Amino acid sequence: GENVEQHPSTLSVQEGDSAVIKCTYSDSASNYFPWYKQELGKGPQLIIDIRSNVGEKKDQRIAVTLNKTAKHFSLHITETQPEDSAVYFCAASADSNYQLIWGAGTKLIIKP
Amino acid sequence: KAGVTQTPRYLIKTRGQQVTLSCSPISGHRSVSWYQQTPGQGLQFLFEYFSETQRNKGNFPGRFSGRQFSNSRSEMNVSTLELGDSALYLCASSLRLTYRTGNNEQFFGPGTRLTVL
Repeated sequence: GENVEQHPSTLSVQEGDSAVIKCTYSDSASNYFPWYKQELGKGPQLIIDIRSNVGEKKDQRIAVTLNKTAKHFSLHITETQPEDSAVYFCAASADSNYQLIWGAGTKLIIKP
Repeated sequence: KAGVTQTPRYLIKTRGQQVTLSCSPISGHRSVSWYQQTPGQGLQFLFEYFSETQRNKGNFPGRFSGRQFSNSRSEMNVSTLELGDSALYLCASSLRLTYRTGNNEQFFGPGTRLTVL
């Protein structure tokens, strides 16, 4: 079945530096790739998503890139701030199934 | 517009008991998914309901069950609780016109923290 691998499990970066989280999916039919952010004590919240007909999408300091050939997609956060500290999840789904398959999550720590 | 609400927020039970958790989706959302989240673990998918029908099911034992009502509110039940069932249970709703069309963005509630003693 579909599988999504996410790396690293923990990422510690200095405030102001960039952070990159990578995910790899197995189902070539996957065409929707969202990223969710979970802050302490809250449920995950969508921060950005991308469809397979697009290679890159940006929203202020956040960007997602997709390489369909290699079946991987990445989350890029630039100029990191303390409020970026959270757990980030990637996911993938295909229109044929519609179920989101989730990565294991990455704990991002922003050091002051 | 009100977000996804889950009740209760915290629950303490003992082994062997059963528990029912409730989820009210965002108004107009017909899809409700349930997840189990344990410390250090990701989101483990339990099941998804759309228009009162279970559409997808994760790899959990039959002790975990759910249902959805005509107003899209959903409940999940865990029978014969085990210590390993201690977790944060998250509910998420999404807007779809039909099951296979529409926006798949999931809106999560704050979760129910279940502790089994």
